[in-house]
Amino acid sequence: EAAVTQSPRNKVAVTGGKVTLSCNQTNNHNNMYWYRQDTGHGLRLIHYSYGAGSTEKGDIPDGYKASRPSQENFSLILELATPSQTSVYFCASGDGGLYAEQFFGPGTRLTVL
Amino acid sequence: GQQVQQSPASLVLQEGENAELQCNFSSTATRLQWFYQRPGGSLVSLLSNPSGTKHTGRLTSTTVTKERRGSLHISSSQITDSGTYLCAMELGSWGSNAKLTFGKGTKLSVKS
Repeated sequence: EAAVTQSPRNKVAVTGGKVTLSCNQTNNHNNMYWYRQDTGHGLRLIHYSYGAGSTEKGDIPDGYKASRPSQENFSLILELATPSQTSVYFCASGDGGLYAEQFFGPGTRLTVL
Repeated sequence: GQQVQQSPASLVLQEGENAELQCNFSSTATRLQWFYQRPGGSLVSLLSNPSGTKHTGRLTSTTVTKERRGSLHISSSQITDSGTYLCAMELGSWGSNAKLTFGKGTKLSVKS
């Protein structure tokens, strides 16, 4: 099973501050994803990547940037954090194939005050 | 945009009973993936099924993409099955592991 780790696991930030969430995967998957999960909305895709150097906008990209410097690492960047970005953030990785699966990290709980 | 509807929203079972969770989606999906989310948050992939029926352990996934529906059957439920079950559909080219769109989940409680 794919190993996906996230750091930090918990983060408290101030409004207007910069926040970077990091994700690392060790199974050499090409694709990586960032989601947020909010009560009443479920999981929503923010950004994703098909490989090192590539980033793509997901369904709710406003206010977020992403960076994929290597196959293993994928970061989510909040340049100017706002209270509406308080949420639980999940990173996932996966590859193609008939029965392709995405594997998720443990999540990061972000609170913006 | 694409939508995924899961039903029921919640389900309470006695230990040993079977569960049938439904997933309906608004577009022709290339694949459904089912996840289990533990109380406290982490997601575990259960099954990935492009079409037809797939089994693993006590779980059976059925996907009928032309009818835009899928289901997850849990047999002989156990207390440790309690949690939230999420259905996600993939749109895009077959095998591309493209974007997933998630439903809001079915919360399952299994009691002794």
